[in-house]
Amino acid sequence: DTGVSQNPRHKITKRGQNVTFRCDPISEHNRLYWYRQTLGQGPEFLTYFQNEAQLEKSRLLSDRFSAERPKGSFSTLEIQRTEQGDSAMYLCASSFQTGRSEQFFGPGTRLTVL
Amino acid sequence: AQKITQTQPGMFVQEKEAVTLDCTYDTSDPSYGLFWYKQPSSGEMIFLIYQGSYDQQNATEGRYSLNFQKARKSANLVISASQLGDSAMYFCAMSLSNAGNNRKLIWGLGTSLAVNP
Repeated sequence: DTGVSQNPRHKITKRGQNVTFRCDPISEHNRLYWYRQTLGQGPEFLTYFQNEAQLEKSRLLSDRFSAERPKGSFSTLEIQRTEQGDSAMYLCASSFQTGRSEQFFGPGTRLTVL
Repeated sequence: AQKITQTQPGMFVQEKEAVTLDCTYDTSDPSYGLFWYKQPSSGEMIFLIYQGSYDQQNATEGRYSLNFQKARKSANLVISASQLGDSAMYFCAMSLSNAGNNRKLIWGLGTSLAVNP
């Protein structure tokens, strides 16, 4: 399967703990995006990378959130000192840089903060 | 400010009938892309169809077509010959373009479609 993969699929943690999610994009894609989706809402943009460069970050991305894409391949999203409001589905997507560049999504990581 | 509006929280359609899901958008940028995605109960976002702001013809992908009315800033999705497997959430999204390259997506709240047998 050469689609976007995300790990873990589910994460349950206690408030105050740190969590890290991983995203492996489609190998030919040089853009990688992170979104967050809460129940009954559309996804909200968090950040995106072009190769290893982080080109844009949403104001939603507080200083407790950090994302990396060290070699321009996989990416990690870390949340420090988790809060109950961080409970959501975290979606990763990848695309080509040029053209219509539709984004292809992974299955998501569902985070529950107790 | 850029915004996507989907005014239909839920829609019902009879199997084999056509259904239109509404989407209006707001942007002052001349270059943008409009997307529709399907999200089944499993949670994965599935790309359906794309329309660029400079495209002269309405996009079609199999049973999906996009009714693009630029002056009205609407990009409605038409699903023909509905199937039971079409039951899902449908999201309209807009991507702003930077020198022809689409960037982040801005999303609507979605429309829940139920196909009745």
